[in-house]
Amino acid sequence: GQQVMQIPQYQHVQEGEDFTTYCNSSTTLSNIQWYKQRPGGHPVFLIQLVKSGEVKKQKRLTFQFGEAKKNSSLHITATQTTDVGTYFCAGPGGGGSNYKLTFGKGTLLTVNP
Amino acid sequence: GAGVSQTPSNKVTEKGKYVELRCDPISGHTALYWYRQSLGQGPEFLIYFQGTGAADDSGLPNDRFFAVRPEGSVSTLKIQRTERGDSAVYLCASSLASRAGRTDTQYFGPGTRLTVL
Repeated sequence: GQQVMQIPQYQHVQEGEDFTTYCNSSTTLSNIQWYKQRPGGHPVFLIQLVKSGEVKKQKRLTFQFGEAKKNSSLHITATQTTDVGTYFCAGPGGGGSNYKLTFGKGTLLTVNP
Repeated sequence: GAGVSQTPSNKVTEKGKYVELRCDPISGHTALYWYRQSLGQGPEFLIYFQGTGAADDSGLPNDRFFAVRPEGSVSTLKIQRTERGDSAVYLCASSLASRAGRTDTQYFGPGTRLTVL
């Protein structure tokens, strides 16, 4: 079945440093979504990318969708302590469904103030 | 407006017992999803409802798991003869609809942490 892989599994940075997490799917995706989960919290939707090669920015966060629509990345510039949490990518799929999201294992970001 | 709510927030039960987990979706959302999240893992799809019917229950691990949504709003996930391996956070999400060719944004609830002793 469809697999979504994320690296790294953990990342610890000093406040102010940049951070990047990478996501790879075993199948071509119609879109990719990113979620953030704070410690003890629930996944919160960040963004959805649909087009091949798409780049979207949200303040210090930059999201990219690969040309082949099988990989994606999230880059955070100048991390802050409020960025702490686990970042998940998720892609729809599995039998051609648009609704069944397959999540990666996530990248846990910790920030040292 | 109010988000997705789930009750209870925590549930501790003994092996072999029956449990029910409740989800109240965002008002007006016709699509509802259940996921299970184990420690260190991403959410894992269990079941999807469009309205009252379970459109896709392919993620339910076995026949001990069952979910209903009788009036197209509140949903209950039911687990019979619980096992220690069922311990996890059970997340509910809702979206406006699931339309062909689109993946609507899924809004997650706070989850129910189930512990089976």
